[in-house]
Amino acid sequence: GDSVTQMEGPVTLSEEAFLTINCTYTATGYPSLFWHVQYPGEGLQLLLKATKADDKGSNKGFEATYRKETTSFHLEKGSVQVSDSAVYFCALSVGGTSGSRLTFGEGTQLTVNP
Amino acid sequence: DAGVIQSPRHEVTEMGQEVTLRCKLISGHNSLFWYRQTMMRGLELLIYFNNNVPIDDSGMPEDRFSAKMPNASFSTLKIQPSEPRDSAVYFCASSSSGASTDTQYFGPGTRLTVL
Repeated sequence: GDSVTQMEGPVTLSEEAFLTINCTYTATGYPSLFWHVQYPGEGLQLLLKATKADDKGSNKGFEATYRKETTSFHLEKGSVQVSDSAVYFCALSVGGTSGSRLTFGEGTQLTVNP
Repeated sequence: DAGVIQSPRHEVTEMGQEVTLRCKLISGHNSLFWYRQTMMRGLELLIYFNNNVPIDDSGMPEDRFSAKMPNASFSTLKIQPSEPRDSAVYFCASSSSGASTDTQYFGPGTRLTVL
């Protein structure tokens, strides 16, 4: 079946450090890929997405590139801020009879210290 | 737009009681998803509706759980009888169609505690 694997957390960084959160996937179809962010006590918000190979999604300084050859969608940010502290979820959607249902990774807790 | 609205935000109940969670979709959206989030199992899809019709309920744990869409903008998730292992945060989300490229918009969640 479809699945998403994220690097284990938690991740703790100092402000202005470089961030990478790894995400790999397996899918029976040709998925769309997403990163969602969950701030404490809130629901999930879409951070960025990519719908075909080699697409780069970007938002708020975060980027991720859809790599079909390595089945990966790693999240990066060049300089993190304290306000980026949250849980980040990688997810995929394969469409077809599954529609737009999302399959999520385990989530990675990010803490950014001043 | 008010976004996806869920109620209640918090629910504490005793084992054996019936629990009803509510969700209002974003206007114009026709796909509705119920997810459950726990520390042990992460985020799991429980059920997915498209145009008020349940498409995939394979994630519904057992017969104690049921979900309905009485109209195009509203859904309920009912647990009867509730058990302590049902304690979790329940999210609903909506999207504008059933396409895999769609963005899902999540509600703030209902934190359920079953004592």
